[in-house]
Amino acid sequence: DAGVTQSPTHLIKTRGQQVTLRCSPISGHKSVSWYQQVLGQGPQFIFQYYEKEERGRGNFPDRFSARQFPNYSSELNVNALLLGDSALYLCASRYGQGALDEQFFGPGTRLTVL
Amino acid sequence: GQSLEQPSEVTAVEGAIVQINCTYQTSGFYGLSWYQQHDGGAPTFLSSNALDGLEETGRFSSFLSRSDSYGYLLLQELQMKDSASYFCAVNAGNTGKLIFGQGTTLQVKP
Repeated sequence: DAGVTQSPTHLIKTRGQQVTLRCSPISGHKSVSWYQQVLGQGPQFIFQYYEKEERGRGNFPDRFSARQFPNYSSELNVNALLLGDSALYLCASRYGQGALDEQFFGPGTRLTVL
Repeated sequence: GQSLEQPSEVTAVEGAIVQINCTYQTSGFYGLSWYQQHDGGAPTFLSSNALDGLEETGRFSSFLSRSDSYGYLLLQELQMKDSASYFCAVNAGNTGKLIFGQGTTLQVKP
């Protein structure tokens, strides 16, 4: 079975631009979460979606937005990019909403903002 | 605030046992999980504890003491491939939100 897939793998943008990152969860998984991982730090929670509705949001500015589609795939959008947005963006999927349900992470999209 | 503390680096030799400690302070707590990450790749789930005590999964074991806000990951029979970053993470809510520590870099030497 395919795991969580993310695209693109790498991305280079300049300050002020906008970016869209994509995630396809494991087949049958209805929950998708997004995390930002700056080099040398642990992942930070950005959003969680379940059944196409936002169920949780981390401490990120409104420049960050996301959505989930009927097939449970998800997009993360970041507007007005800043140098500090350079990071590995990770998507994680899980089947349900149980607090301890195992989360499966994708390989991430490495975003570089110049 | 919400914080997790874990050592930044640990070094051990092949075949040895190593313990990575984690203390946490969070506003919500449903459990403590451990993830392994190689060179910025995908974090992979190792173990989790919702209740106090020891969970054993092959060479890896995880322990939790909720009264002490403390847990640890125990890695036995270390192999070179275990060289990676290890993160403790609090399951902070029923949304599945994970709050991660800064990570511990484990270097296994021959």
